[in-house]
Amino acid sequence: NAGVTQTPKFQVLKTGQSMTLQCAQDMNHEYMSWYRQDPGMGLRLIHYSVGAGITDQGEVPNGYNVSRSTTEDFPLRLLSAAPSQTSVYFCASSYSGLVAETQYFGPGTRLLVL
Amino acid sequence: AQSVTQLGSHVSVSEGALVLLRCNYSSSVPPYLFWYVQYPNQGLQLLLKYTSAATLVKGINGFEAEFKKSETSFHLTKPSAHMSDAAEYFCAVSGNAGNNRKLIWGLGTSLAVNP
Repeated sequence: NAGVTQTPKFQVLKTGQSMTLQCAQDMNHEYMSWYRQDPGMGLRLIHYSVGAGITDQGEVPNGYNVSRSTTEDFPLRLLSAAPSQTSVYFCASSYSGLVAETQYFGPGTRLLVL
Repeated sequence: AQSVTQLGSHVSVSEGALVLLRCNYSSSVPPYLFWYVQYPNQGLQLLLKYTSAATLVKGINGFEAEFKKSETSFHLTKPSAHMSDAAEYFCAVSGNAGNNRKLIWGLGTSLAVNP
C-alpha cells in the first residue's frame, strides 16, 4: 500500500513553460485535493475532487488546471508557469472528503519557476 | 468565518522538556479540530483530531491536545520532547457548516528540540 504518491519530487521550469504534477493514491479514496505551501502562508487549497469526473476550485485556482478521469489519479497542470508559482505542492486524499476524516498527504513536489 | 491562529511561528525546547504549541480558533459552529505534523522534506500526517467526542484527545508519538470551548483553544502538548519531534506542526479547523469538506489551516509552528 503506497498511499499517496507524487512525481516529480523536484522540478525547475522557465517562465511560460507548462507541466503536469502527478498524484496517485491506492486507497480507493473518493476525495483528492491539491495544496500549495508557501512560507508564512500555510497551506492553500488549489483544486479538489470529490470523485472521478468531478472537480472544483479551491481558494487559489488561477493558473492551474485539474481533471479526474480515474479514482486513483489527480494530476495538476500548470498552463504557463510564472515565478509566483514557485512553491511546494502537496496532493492529499481522504475517503469521502468530510472534514472529520483524516487526510493523507503525498511527499510533495518542489517547483522552482525561473 | 472560521479562522485559526497558531501563536509562535518558532518554538524551541530542550530535549526532555514540555512541548506546548498553541492554537486558537474561531468558529460559528461546533468545530472539528486537527493537528498535523510535517517532518523535514515530507508530507503532512495526522497527529490527532477532535470531532466532538472526548475533549482530551490523544494522538501518536505521545502528543495530546485539549479542546477548550470557553477559551476557543486546542493546544498541543507532549510531556517530554524528543529530538525526533523536531518538525513543523499545523493546526486546522473545519470550514463553514455549509462547506463540510474544507479545512482552514494555521500558518504552522516550527518546533526545534535542542540536546
